[in-house]
Amino acid sequence: QKEVEQNSGPLSVPEGAIASLNCTYSDRVSQSFFWYRQYSGKSPELIMSIYSNGDKEDGRFTAQLNKASQYVSLLIRDSQPSDSATYLCAVNFLTGNQFYFGTGTSLTVIP
Amino acid sequence: DGGITQSPKYLFRKEGQNVTLSCEQNLNHDAMYWYRQDPGQGLRLIYYSQIVNDFQKGDIAEGYSVSREKKESFPLTVTSAQKNPTAFYLCASSIARQGLSGQPQHFGDGTRLSIL
Repeated sequence: QKEVEQNSGPLSVPEGAIASLNCTYSDRVSQSFFWYRQYSGKSPELIMSIYSNGDKEDGRFTAQLNKASQYVSLLIRDSQPSDSATYLCAVNFLTGNQFYFGTGTSLTVIP
Repeated sequence: DGGITQSPKYLFRKEGQNVTLSCEQNLNHDAMYWYRQDPGQGLRLIYYSQIVNDFQKGDIAEGYSVSREKKESFPLTVTSAQKNPTAFYLCASSIARQGLSGQPQHFGDGTRLSIL
């Protein structure tokens, strides 16, 4: 069983809409969750970190964490064509210092 | 500016040849990582190091080797034993865990390796 799972997409939303990206993780003690954005041919860049249950907002981005249900999500409000990229979910479990990445969700924002 | 520098950006390997990918960071980070990314796939961990002179194998270490002689540097050698080396290689670093919270990784720009 994979440690971290994401729908590969592609996910298409019209410009100005809300894009919702989801990630589930395996049943282990987990503490730290991260969302990265990766443009085609580029390296991942950190968007959000979230450590406790609930919502965390940063500009147009909101990360939501629900440890009881083992999922973390990323909402992008007022989606822009420049948000078109692959979004990677990463989890750092309490045991060890490895990060486990999902395979990513491809998002396309249609002008 | 602090950051992670990977070189070269593009690298070509001949059959039977070992090649070394460079990764240098000036962020004073303790931990460093090497990942491989194949088209349309996620990141797979090759090796990681949490401290100088110590490193651990990741999920796909066969055919690769690393060293960590300095805090700033974590070079990756792709040996001739790695039969399918064509991929995008990413180096990352992070500070040490803060209590129970893991700290985010930051990535270099990557090296694209191809077979001639």
